[in-house]
Amino acid sequence: AQKVTQAQTEISVVEKEDVTLDCVYETRDTTYYLFWYKQPPSGELVFLIRRNSFDEQNEISGRYSWNFQKSTSSFNFTITASQVVDSAVYFCALSETIPSGNTPLVFGKGTRLSVIA
Amino acid sequence: DTEVTQTPKHLVMGMTNKKSLKCEQHMGHRAMYWYKQKAKKPPELMFVYSYEKLSINESVPSRFSPECPNSSLLNLHLHALQPEDSALYLCASSQDNSLSGNTIYFGEGSWLTVV
Repeated sequence: AQKVTQAQTEISVVEKEDVTLDCVYETRDTTYYLFWYKQPPSGELVFLIRRNSFDEQNEISGRYSWNFQKSTSSFNFTITASQVVDSAVYFCALSETIPSGNTPLVFGKGTRLSVIA
Repeated sequence: DTEVTQTPKHLVMGMTNKKSLKCEQHMGHRAMYWYKQKAKKPPELMFVYSYEKLSINESVPSRFSPECPNSSLLNLHLHALQPEDSALYLCASSQDNSLSGNTIYFGEGSWLTVV
């Protein structure tokens, strides 16, 4: 069964610190996709990144970077020089090509990040 | 800004009321979704429409009735709701519903309170 674990429920950092959000997944599929979404207090789920299982290259987008390691089934997300606007709940999600159920996306429970000025 | 728009942003309704949540996207996507999200929980899938036909109903109570008038619009009709139905309702869309890793784009959500 597919599963996504975000072990960190809440994280607080001081502005300008770096922070890494962990995501570990389980799947039997050989082709799958991993996502990160950001949900600020307003409620919208903002898409951040999509990565397929054959592309293990790390990605950097401004202050955001992602580290995908199939060997440890992890897809961690790092924010460099955090800012108050980064405060949000971050969800990691998994999509399989042959899902075991109807769910197109399996979400982790989310990590609430608070960046303090 | 999101390209999936939802109205209303906030809705308060009584248990005997009938109301509707509306969603619109103009990205040419052929799959649209309703999710329900309770506080401090991840979103839970309710319905999926693919090419304007209901393809997935996650055993949602009949007091929630989805409707897809065309490929750009998705409604959720609400009737005789309970206070425990109070939640954030998120609409989303994707290119199609092939369940093959298409990115799902979400709207800003409708905050529903049932009194």
